[in-house]
Amino acid sequence: DQQVKQNSPSLSVQEGRISILNCDYTNSMFDYFLWYKKYPAEGPTFLISISSIKDKNEDGRFTVFLNKSAKHLSLHIVPSQPGDSAVYFCAASTGGGNKLTFGTGTQLKVEL
Amino acid sequence: GAGVSQSPSNKVTEKGKDVELRCDPISGHTALYWYRQSLGQGLEFLIYFQGNSAPDKSGLPSDRFSAERTGGSVSTLTIQRTQQEDSAVYLCASSSTSGLVGNEQFFGPGTRLTVL
Repeated sequence: DQQVKQNSPSLSVQEGRISILNCDYTNSMFDYFLWYKKYPAEGPTFLISISSIKDKNEDGRFTVFLNKSAKHLSLHIVPSQPGDSAVYFCAASTGGGNKLTFGTGTQLKVEL
Repeated sequence: GAGVSQSPSNKVTEKGKDVELRCDPISGHTALYWYRQSLGQGLEFLIYFQGNSAPDKSGLPSDRFSAERTGGSVSTLTIQRTQQEDSAVYLCASSSTSGLVGNEQFFGPGTRLTVL
């Protein structure tokens, strides 16, 4: 039972354009959501997070949007840069983040 | 400062053998987590340690899996009688707080386990 779903295994975007990565979840008890970025042969690194009491959180080029009624969140990267090419994982937790439930990841490729 | 380190980086073993995977968390981090990522899957929670509390083992897939954390620092994940389906990347993470919104988990590079 996949409680966090990333239905797009890959996404290709031109440099300078916006990248939009999507994530859906089924567990209404999730109250904290995170995005991690992973390069090959490295562990995931934390990117940005959002609490369920908010619908938007912005950090530089990265913005996460949360739509609780639709159980959907998205990560926007603008402008996209070649260094953003990586696998992006969406994760969710209940009660503060002891156990993260991850999606299967989306491979983003930013092309010149 | 030093991040989370894991050893070995790669481990190839034969079916039925036991393996031990090691994690050195960031110094001072009280919470430690083990996850694994099988091919084509997301990261799957295995076990969580917080200070001196009893670990949360709810994610361990079978009784062949066990983990310990000695002295509140280094952790070892042991898989007994390995099976081919145990092949995965095993990731360790640590965080400075637990149960509080905003605690960021820092991940190590992982150990790639291949069971032949």
